[in-house]
Amino acid sequence: GQNIDQPTEMTATEGAIVQINCTYQTSGFNGLFWYQQHAGEAPTFLSYNVLDGLEEKGRFSSFLSRSKGYSYLLLKELQMKDSASYLCAGQQGANNLFFGTGTRLTVIP
Amino acid sequence: DSGVTQTPKHLITATGQRVTLRCSPRSGDLSVYWYQQSLDQGLQFLIQYYNGEERAKGNILERFSAQQFPDLHSELNLSSLELGDSALYFCASSGGRGAYNEQFFGPGTRLTVL
Repeated sequence: GQNIDQPTEMTATEGAIVQINCTYQTSGFNGLFWYQQHAGEAPTFLSYNVLDGLEEKGRFSSFLSRSKGYSYLLLKELQMKDSASYLCAGQQGANNLFFGTGTRLTVIP
Repeated sequence: DSGVTQTPKHLITATGQRVTLRCSPRSGDLSVYWYQQSLDQGLQFLIQYYNGEERAKGNILERFSAQQFPDLHSELNLSSLELGDSALYFCASSGGRGAYNEQFFGPGTRLTVL
């Protein structure tokens, strides 16, 4: 089976750092994706982790621990435009993605 | 712009009706995925096609069907529509040319069933 858990909502201050956690149980797990989705728009790819450890990409970093079934997305130097939903998705098999319900992040001045 | 196109952008119809949603993948991508996103739920995977063949099936209702044509565009058919089918329907494509074989999403079709 598949199960993805992440917090429903988070609020953080402009310029701060925020960590969005995700725990997963996905059969045939191959990797972990993070997507950003602004309201009413298409999800856009942020990061992918297949091995344990931290992947850094500018202001965004993502971490994976396969043994713990755990990932997090770290956003630094928050900007107002970072207000969006952040979707954690487990990759099952070659391509299929199983998404969580997403974490709605609100950045306040 | 992801390169994935979907039409129509908006669709309003009545219960019991049938609609067809259309998706054109990024140039060269062989896989097409369909997702449903309701107001209070995450993206629900419906079905995947690869080069014209059904590859994987998710939580797709029997009233829904899809196909992928030789030119690789795909259509999602929704029939006997119910109020609960109102949602955003996304199509995504992948083809292994991305760095991580990530899926690229189209802008979605917003379906409203009245």
